[in-house]
Amino acid sequence: NAGVTQTPKFQVLKTGQSMTLQCAQDMNHNSMYWYRQDPGMGLRLIYYSASEGTTDKGEVPNGYNVSRLNKREFSLRLESAAPSQTSVYFCATNRGRSEAFFGQGTRLTVV
Amino acid sequence: GQQLNQSPQSMFIQEGEDVSMNCTSSSIFNTWLWYKQDPGEGPVLLIALYKAGELTSNGRLTAQFGITRKDSFLNISASIPSDVGIYFCAGQLSNTGKLIFGQGTTLQVKP
Repeated sequence: NAGVTQTPKFQVLKTGQSMTLQCAQDMNHNSMYWYRQDPGMGLRLIYYSASEGTTDKGEVPNGYNVSRLNKREFSLRLESAAPSQTSVYFCATNRGRSEAFFGQGTRLTVV
Repeated sequence: GQQLNQSPQSMFIQEGEDVSMNCTSSSIFNTWLWYKQDPGEGPVLLIALYKAGELTSNGRLTAQFGITRKDSFLNISASIPSDVGIYFCAGQLSNTGKLIFGQGTTLQVKP
């Protein structure tokens, strides 16, 4: 029972490179989220998907794109990474009004 | 920007003392969640609240869903060293279903 799995766990990118963060859940939840966490800022919502095929912007969507491939997977793409995107990224999932379960995080450094 | 205001930002207390933290917003929520995060880990749920006015306890922790649906508080009684960590409130917006987080309260406990 993996819950929420994020890959990779660590990544270093050069400015301008692109990459995709993967998230998969085996909890059969409809809602999935991508957050970034920076010191003193809490978790800020990047994108939200209420169900397969739907996505919605969160508080800080600029520089990111997402894809809800199916019910299980929700990916986050950085098309042209910038140093300001250095952060810890968390994927989460829940079923409507319920607790959200989190992955272990992806630590991204852009140099 | 951030729609949830969490306070205090940090607390340094003596073991055995009680702790109180709260979150407020101008938005209306249908769910309030309180999480704790240890270094290098994802947030872990402490208490979930689903109804305005609801008061829920989990051991030494007590949380309440504000009657206006715009605020919540968390109390920790008789703190112990393992209570150290970052505590986050999270609210699910009634109008969009998005789950957003406060900035966090960093708790340090002196033995």
